[in-house]
Amino acid sequence: DAGVIQSPRHEVTEMGQEVTLRCKPISGHNSLFWYRQTMMRGLELLIYFNNNVPIDDSGMPEDRFSAKMPNASFSTLKIQPSEPRDSAVYFCASKTVGGAETQYFGPGTRLLVL
Amino acid sequence: SQQGEEDPQALSIQEGENATMNCSYKTSINNLQWYRQNSGRGLVHLILIRSNEREKHSGRLRVTLDTSKKSSSLLITASRAADTASNFCATSENDSGAGSYQLTFGKGTKLSVIP
Repeated sequence: DAGVIQSPRHEVTEMGQEVTLRCKPISGHNSLFWYRQTMMRGLELLIYFNNNVPIDDSGMPEDRFSAKMPNASFSTLKIQPSEPRDSAVYFCASKTVGGAETQYFGPGTRLLVL
Repeated sequence: SQQGEEDPQALSIQEGENATMNCSYKTSINNLQWYRQNSGRGLVHLILIRSNEREKHSGRLRVTLDTSKKSSSLLITASRAADTASNFCATSENDSGAGSYQLTFGKGTKLSVIP
């Protein structure tokens, strides 16, 4: 099993640009989570999906952030327009709905907004 | 908002020694998990303890849970240089029957094991 796959692994962009982060969950997992990690705030849950449906997006910082899960094997997190304070490591994690509570994390996307 | 708070924030020990990290949380939980993060990598699940359990072992790991004090501890015995990582506790609460469990993470204890 390839594990959770995220792309790109690193992204450097300029303020105001659109950023799209991608995630492929583990096959058979139907819960998907997006997290953001910073030194100041630690690991924060942004949004999670069950069976491709967003369940809780209360962690999304503002309207500049949006997430989609068009099918069971793909999700995107988009920031438009990006700002320097969005610089962080963004993680995607997946698990089975109603199954074991362990989440499996991807390697993360390190985002730097200049 | 942070649910778990780890203590200490950083810990430095010699290889072979034991390392103990603590976690306190605020609300009722279904379970508590510990995850490890090596520098520049994603988090990896270490061990899960349910709210009705008091102690659990997995290899060199020992976790305790005291729900009356809302606290947990992670003990790593006979530490190795490869144990150098940040360790996070994460608590899980039932999200009103949606069928999945959100995890709320603390800020972690950074463990350094010196060879």
